[in-house]
Amino acid sequence: EIVLTQSPDFQSVTPKEKVTITCRASQSIGSSLHWYQQKPDQSPKLLIKYASQSISGVPSRFSGSGSGTDFTLTINSLEAEDAATYYCHQSSSLLWTFGQGTKVEIK
Amino acid sequence: QVQLQESGPGLVKPSETLSLTCTVSGGSISSYYWSWIRQPPGKGLEWIGYIYYSGSTNYNPSLKSRVTISVDTSKNQFSLKLSSVTAADTAVYYCARADGMPRYWGQGTLVTVSS
Repeated sequence: EIVLTQSPDFQSVTPKEKVTITCRASQSIGSSLHWYQQKPDQSPKLLIKYASQSISGVPSRFSGSGSGTDFTLTINSLEAEDAATYYCHQSSSLLWTFGQGTKVEIK
Repeated sequence: QVQLQESGPGLVKPSETLSLTCTVSGGSISSYYWSWIRQPPGKGLEWIGYIYYSGSTNYNPSLKSRVTISVDTSKNQFSLKLSSVTAADTAVYYCARADGMPRYWGQGTLVTVSS
């Protein structure tokens, strides 16, 4: 099983600040790493696919980078509506797995 | 725009079988992979498994002995059965369409395992 470890688990951030969330895989997964945003009582929403590919309709302040075992989700100029839990997900192996989540709170 | 909707009992007794159906609208089920994912209250996401429209499946090994996912192309639906449930199976269950990753998700349905 490929384990995905996100850091930090929690982040409290002021609006307009830059947010960086990392996801480390226990073995190389190429670029098969995807990022989701989940707001309370909502289903997850795909933000970034294949490490860095943008998704239509997702604000451009969200970007992703990385390959192999280390990946980053960046939120430039955080907005109040970005308060949510963010998950990374790998589909490189037959056993799909998710990171444990990073909760982003707005100060 | 494709839409997915989960349906099924919200309460299941311990040792019984959890059964959920996902109805797909706005597109044909005869393509893509169709997945089930769950989320225990206050916790993270766990992938259960997926099925290709042709019927081939892939399950999470931790649940494999208890899980069956099937597809009914005539009804544009796919289903989840999880047997011998315990309180640990209490979760919000999501269905999703996957094209490399779960992309379109249902709203989720809470299933509670309790006597």
